[in-house]
Amino acid sequence: KQEVTQIPAALSVPEGENLVLNCSFTDSAIYNLQWFRQDPGKGLTSLLLIQSSQREQTSGRLNASLDKSSGRSTLYIAASQPGDSATYLCAVSVVGADGLTFGKGTHLIIQP
Amino acid sequence: NAGVTQTPKFQVLKTGQSMTLQCAQDMNHEYMSWYRQDPGMGLRLIHYSVGAGITDQGEVPNGYNVSRSTTEDFPLRLLSAAPSQTSVYFCASSSEQLAKNIQYFGAGTRLSVL
Repeated sequence: KQEVTQIPAALSVPEGENLVLNCSFTDSAIYNLQWFRQDPGKGLTSLLLIQSSQREQTSGRLNASLDKSSGRSTLYIAASQPGDSATYLCAVSVVGADGLTFGKGTHLIIQP
Repeated sequence: NAGVTQTPKFQVLKTGQSMTLQCAQDMNHEYMSWYRQDPGMGLRLIHYSVGAGITDQGEVPNGYNVSRSTTEDFPLRLLSAAPSQTSVYFCASSSEQLAKNIQYFGAGTRLSVL
């Protein structure tokens, strides 16, 4: 069974720092990997989707990488801002399985 | 754009009561799904649908029922609520095969079963 692990569980950094969130998965047979953002009391917003054939995706200050063979992905946030404070979730879609398998998330706080 | 709309946002039930969580999307997406989110756990798939008239079970389907009579709507029914069903429920939709494209999520329904 696919397992998704996110490290760290929580992170607090001063505004302006660059930071990296980590995601690992146990089964490399995936269609894609998605990074989501979840604000308190709100739904999930898809930030980046990386297909299994891709190595990285970029959107603004966000860059996500995928190393399928090693079962790892990173989300890089450049020049962090207080508005980036949220929980970041990593999810993979597994070949032959239904839906997405989610990690437990990284709770990020950017201090002004 | 409305996207994925879930109602109600909050609900308190007594054990044994029944209710329906509503989910509607206006993006003409074929694929819709329901997840539950519990503290200390990742989101888990309850049921999903690949199109009108077609539904299937996910990882944690027990105690829940679904139907898909239209492309737009995918309600989740709790026939006899139990305290173990206290959770936050999310509905999601996507335009292509369920696992292969960007998933759009609703804002969630927070359910407490006493």
